[in-house]
Amino acid sequence: GNSVTQMEGPVTLSEEAFLTINCTYTATGYPSLFWYVQYPGEGLQLLLKATKADDKGSNKGFEATYRKETTSFHLEKGSVQVSDSAVYFCALSGDYKLSFGAGTTVTVRA
Amino acid sequence: GAVVSQHPSRVICKSGTSVKIECRSLDFQATTMFWYRQFPKKSLMLMATSNEGSKATYEQGVEKDKFLINHASLTLSTLTVTSAHPEDSSFYICSARGRRGTYEQYFGPGTRLTVT
Repeated sequence: GNSVTQMEGPVTLSEEAFLTINCTYTATGYPSLFWYVQYPGEGLQLLLKATKADDKGSNKGFEATYRKETTSFHLEKGSVQVSDSAVYFCALSGDYKLSFGAGTTVTVRA
Repeated sequence: GAVVSQHPSRVICKSGTSVKIECRSLDFQATTMFWYRQFPKKSLMLMATSNEGSKATYEQGVEKDKFLINHASLTLSTLTVTSAHPEDSSFYICSARGRRGTYEQYFGPGTRLTVT
């Protein structure tokens, strides 16, 4: 079956630091890959997505590249801000459903 | 575009009562809606998938008689937690998908249910 594994948190960073959250997946076929962000007390917002191998999704300074050879979709941001503090979920689509990773809590200190 | 709302955002109920949560797609027609449950510091667990006008498909281990789902129109799905117990306390999130054959889901802001 489909599954997503992402690095466990929590991750605590200083402002302007570099952020990487690792995500690997197991899937049949060719899934689309997503990163969602959840701010405290809120639902999930789509951060970025990639629909095929070698696609790079990007939004708000975040990037992730769909790597089929390593089955990975790592999230990166070069310079984080306090407002980036949230929980980040990696997800993949399969059978028109989403499978989520466990989520990584990121806290950015001023 | 693609806004999904949930109501209420928070609800507190007494053990043994039933609670209804609404999920609405505000600016698109949602052929499929999903209901998730999120435990503290945990990922989202898919509870059920509902297609407009048909019965919901529940995931393994989810009690269909306890979590009643109705998708009566293309813009509204409801989740009713029947005879709620404290262990049903959780964050419930719905999502909606528009056109068939697409993967993208749009999420509601969630409903915090507390059963006392």
